[in-house]
Amino acid sequence: AAGVIQSPRHLIKEKRETATLKCYPIPRHDTVYWYQQGPGQDPQFLISFYEKMQSDKGSIPDRFSAQQFSDYHSELNMSSLELGDSALYFCASSTRLAGGGDTQYFGPGTRLTVL
Amino acid sequence: AQSVTQPDIHITVSEGASLELRCNYSYGATPYLFWYVQSPGQGLQLLLKYFSGDTLVQGIKGFEAEFKRSQSSFNLRKPSVHWSDAAEYYCAVGENYGQNFVFGPGTRLSVLP
Repeated sequence: AAGVIQSPRHLIKEKRETATLKCYPIPRHDTVYWYQQGPGQDPQFLISFYEKMQSDKGSIPDRFSAQQFSDYHSELNMSSLELGDSALYFCASSTRLAGGGDTQYFGPGTRLTVL
Repeated sequence: AQSVTQPDIHITVSEGASLELRCNYSYGATPYLFWYVQSPGQGLQLLLKYFSGDTLVQGIKGFEAEFKRSQSSFNLRKPSVHWSDAAEYYCAVGENYGQNFVFGPGTRLSVLP
């Protein structure tokens, strides 16, 4: 079965640079979520989109922005990168069509290292 | 706001032994509960979920979990652990349509040969 795809898998940037992470949800999934997982930490919710509109917002820094496109893929844009942004960034997708709540399926993550 | 606690930071069991990982949640309404497993450097894989109905749910890889409303718990169990089960296990709670999805701090499972 198709899974959530994230690219790139690894990314190395320097401080103050920008980064763009991409997420391709499972086909026919209408909702995308972004999480940040620091070393030894549990995943922290950043932001989510449903049908291309922002649906929920968590602890996303103002330096970050995200959007969901017409094909339902999503991009997380990160500017003025700081050392503390080094983390594993997960994307998850789900669909409301299945009813009965939400099950999020996670991608493999993008490991961002800021030097 | 909901929260999730996993009292055990690290558990070590011998291969073939039984396993129970604890999860307690705080939520005002009926929660949607999940267990995910994460191997080192890997993504999060869904083991099982509870939305409603039978309080004992079966998941993949031989795992099961039992929802106990009176104890606000959703403990994960496996009768016989395999070495490949060594990983980080996260309990999570969410509302309908993924709102306020919160992970617990995780329990690291080590398996002795």
